[in-house]
Amino acid sequence: KNEVEQSPQNLTAQEGEFITINCSYSVGISALHWLQQHPGGGIVSLFMLSSGKKKHGRLIATINIQEKHSSLHITASHPRDSAVYICAGTGTSYGKLTFGQGTILTVHP
Amino acid sequence: EAGVAQSPRYKIIEKRQSVAFWCNPISGHATLYWYQQILGQGPKLLIQFQNNGVVDDSQLPKDRFSAERLKGVDSTLKIQPAKLEDSAVYLCASSKRAPGQVNTEAFFGQGTRLTVV
Repeated sequence: KNEVEQSPQNLTAQEGEFITINCSYSVGISALHWLQQHPGGGIVSLFMLSSGKKKHGRLIATINIQEKHSSLHITASHPRDSAVYICAGTGTSYGKLTFGQGTILTVHP
Repeated sequence: EAGVAQSPRYKIIEKRQSVAFWCNPISGHATLYWYQQILGQGPKLLIQFQNNGVVDDSQLPKDRFSAERLKGVDSTLKIQPAKLEDSAVYLCASSKRAPGQVNTEAFFGQGTRLTVV
């Protein structure tokens, strides 16, 4: 069983909509990473957080340690936000990243 | 600051052939990771180096895959012989992670897309 579960697997939105992607993780994970992967491209690290909330531009990431849950929000979504968003946890031995299944986001103009 | 460099970007080989991928991590990053990402799935860790030592290769198919990081900087990942199911994107990542440190940000390269026919 994967230690990091992500939902939804697919998400379609209209430009301008507020988007939320959720991630649940198991005991032993102490930090959550949010990553973005464009088609054919490499992976870009968006956030790493172990508590509270972080914001960068239109992206907001939150984490609730008690509930072992994290969310990635995109405000005023744009077609260029279309990508795969992946949450990954660390906290296991040697800082190994355990990946969720990814969320394919498509934003239509 | 230069990012993680990988080459080649794309490679097509026939099954049973050999292939090698190269990764140059961000300068000063002690930890280097190789991941395999099959289409539609999340990345799977193949091997993790701390400087030039291996700290995790539990999911590396050692009968056909090998990796080295001789001087603690660049790394190569080799597949010999390749199988059809090895078709995937091979991602290299690096981090500043020091021994014993758990949570550090990892930086990824563009990946090498391997197609085995």
